Amino acid sequence: GIQVEQSPPDLILQEGANSTLRCNFSDSVNNLQWFHQNPWGQLINLFYIPSGTKQNGRLSATTVATERYSLLYISSSQTTDSGVYFCAVGPGYSTLTFGKGTMLLVSP
Amino acid sequence: DAGVIQSPRHEVTEMGQEVTLRCKPISGHDYLFWYRQTMMRGLELLIYFNNNVPIDDSGMPEDRFSAKMPNASFSTLKIQPSEPRDSAVYFCASRTGAGVSEAFFGQGTRLTVV
Repeated sequence: GIQVEQSPPDLILQEGANSTLRCNFSDSVNNLQWFHQNPWGQLINLFYIPSGTKQNGRLSATTVATERYSLLYISSSQTTDSGVYFCAVGPGYSTLTFGKGTMLLVSP
Repeated sequence: DAGVIQSPRHEVTEMGQEVTLRCKPISGHDYLFWYRQTMMRGLELLIYFNNNVPIDDSGMPEDRFSAKMPNASFSTLKIQPSEPRDSAVYFCASRTGAGVSEAFFGQGTRLTVV
């Protein structure tokens, strides 16, 4: 099946710093989502982005499907950004395969 | 819409007991997914349904696991008998059937088997 690799596995930032999270995948995809799992365990949708670039406030994402990677940018990080960020991809139109996630800790 | 609703939020049970997890998908969504999250294996797909029909159950770990979707607004995941290694967070997700669309997850059920 498709392989999804996320980097870095862990990231510690000071509040206000910027960061870039990366997601590499091993095959063509028709579906790609970024999620934030907060400290309470909720999986929150950030972006649905099989290709192109999107922005939502301090967060933005870019997927280059032809090169099989996606990037999630977090600017001016806040303590509430802490948690685990997951990239999930779907080679088909149905299911999602998740990466192992990037654990982000933003300290005040 | 209230989103995907799962119950219970937490379940503690003794080894050997039957456990039933419940999910109500978002109204109008044609696909329903059950995922399991553990530290060792991360988030993995167990089974998914399209229009209430099971499509792929290859992720179901053992015959002790079964899932049903009797109608468009309700699904269950049953474990019988439960074992300590079944302890995990179980997520239900749903999405529309219109082309490719994003999936939305419920809050999960944290299962502990002692």
